[in-house]
Amino acid sequence: EPEVTQTPSHQVTQMGQEVILRCVPISNHLYFYWYRQILGQKVEFLVSFYNNEISEKSEIFDDQFSVERPDGSNFTLKIRSTKLEDSAMYFCASNVGALNEQFFGPGTRLTVL
Amino acid sequence: GESVGLHLPTLSVQEGDNSIINCAYSNSASDYFIWYKQESGKGPQFIIDIRSNMDKRQGQRVTVLLNKTVKHLSLQIAATQPGDSAVYFCAENIAPSGSARQLTFGSGTQLTVLP
Repeated sequence: EPEVTQTPSHQVTQMGQEVILRCVPISNHLYFYWYRQILGQKVEFLVSFYNNEISEKSEIFDDQFSVERPDGSNFTLKIRSTKLEDSAMYFCASNVGALNEQFFGPGTRLTVL
Repeated sequence: GESVGLHLPTLSVQEGDNSIINCAYSNSASDYFIWYKQESGKGPQFIIDIRSNMDKRQGQRVTVLLNKTVKHLSLQIAATQPGDSAVYFCAENIAPSGSARQLTFGSGTQLTVLP
C-alpha cells in the first residue's frame, strides 16, 4: 500500500540553525501539506501546496518557513533560523484531491536546543 | 474563532464494549468532517469521514454520526479492542479563503481499552 514517508525521523538542532524536513508524498497525489504537533497538543495546519505554489498558510507559517517541491517526488519544509518553540512533531500529508482523504506520514520530531 | 473541540480528554472502556467519542464544532458552514486515530509516535491515521449532506456513515466497526442542528459529531467504535487504544481526533476539512482546503483538528480524546 502506498504511503507518505518522511526523513529524518528525529532531528536535533541548535537554536538559530536551519533545518530541512523532507517528505515523499504518495506518487499520484497532487495536494501536499505540512502540519505540526507540539507535544501533548493538537495537530495544527501550517501550509498547503498545489501546482507548485502555496495554496494556503497559517499564522504559524511566517517568513522563517518555506516549502519546496524540488523534483517530482520530494516535498520539503525549511525553517531558516530555528527557535526553541519550533520543537514539535512535523507531519507531511498528501491527497489526490482537495476533498479526498489526507494521508499522513509518520512525522519528524524536531528538537531545538 | 471557529474551532473543533472535544468534550472529554480521556475515555476508558472494557474490551468488547462499545466506545463513543464526541466532538463539537462551531462553524456552521463546515461541510466535511473526518475522524483520525493517532497511536503513540505515529502520524494521524484516517478512520472515517462524513460530509454535511449525510447524518450517518458506517465503516468496519465504526460509525460516525453528524448532527448539524447542534453542530456535534460522534465516533462509535463497536466491540472495542486493545488495538483501538489511541488518541482520536475529529477534524474539519475547511476552506477558509474559499479555495484551498486544510484540516482543523480538535484537541483529541485518549481512548484506553481495559482488559
